[in-house]
Amino acid sequence: NAGVTQTPKFQVLKTGQSMTLQCAQDMNHNSMYWYRQDPGMGLRLIYYSASEGTTDKGEVPNGYNVSRLNKREFSLRLESAAPSQTSVYFCASSRTEERRTDTQYFGPGTRLTVL
Amino acid sequence: AQSVTQLDSQVPVFEEAPVELRCNYSSSVSVYLFWYVQYPNQGLQLLLKYLSGSTLVKGINGFEAEFNKSQTSFHLRKPSVHISDTAEYFCAVSSSPGAGSYQLTFGKGTKLSVIP
Repeated sequence: NAGVTQTPKFQVLKTGQSMTLQCAQDMNHNSMYWYRQDPGMGLRLIYYSASEGTTDKGEVPNGYNVSRLNKREFSLRLESAAPSQTSVYFCASSRTEERRTDTQYFGPGTRLTVL
Repeated sequence: AQSVTQLDSQVPVFEEAPVELRCNYSSSVSVYLFWYVQYPNQGLQLLLKYLSGSTLVKGINGFEAEFNKSQTSFHLRKPSVHISDTAEYFCAVSSSPGAGSYQLTFGKGTKLSVIP
């Protein structure tokens, strides 16, 4: 039981390049989330998905797109990377659609640097 | 809008001493409260959460927190820390149903350093 896995672990991009961050969970959870973590800023929600086929914007969605490919997988895409998107990205999942109260389970993170 | 303030960005404490990590929140509606811990180079994991009922919440690894509605606080405590408790701790607040769209707000984190 791997929990929440993320690929890649590290990535360096040039400004304007695109990439997709992959996330998968094997806990049969309904809800999935993408966060970014910046020094001294805590975590900020980018997008979330309460169930397969649905996605909603979080606090900082600009510059990102997401796809809930199936119940297991939730990807985050940067279409045209900018230096301001340099951050550590975490994917998380929770068991039900009751995202207000559910415990979230986090992946190990992806460290992204945009030059 | 809701917000979370973690009053200390860094807390050094000697091994086997007690520790309190402070968290205050502001919200115009009822909230649910969480403490998560992040060990170096890892994702976050839940320590404990307050949803309703008893205001004293016990979590994993000997941590506990007390919800104080009048002071809008949710401070985290441990009576005796261990070296392995060295980590960053995040307080988070989730808005209750009926408070509009879902919002989970994290504090900026408190780095706990346990000194041998």
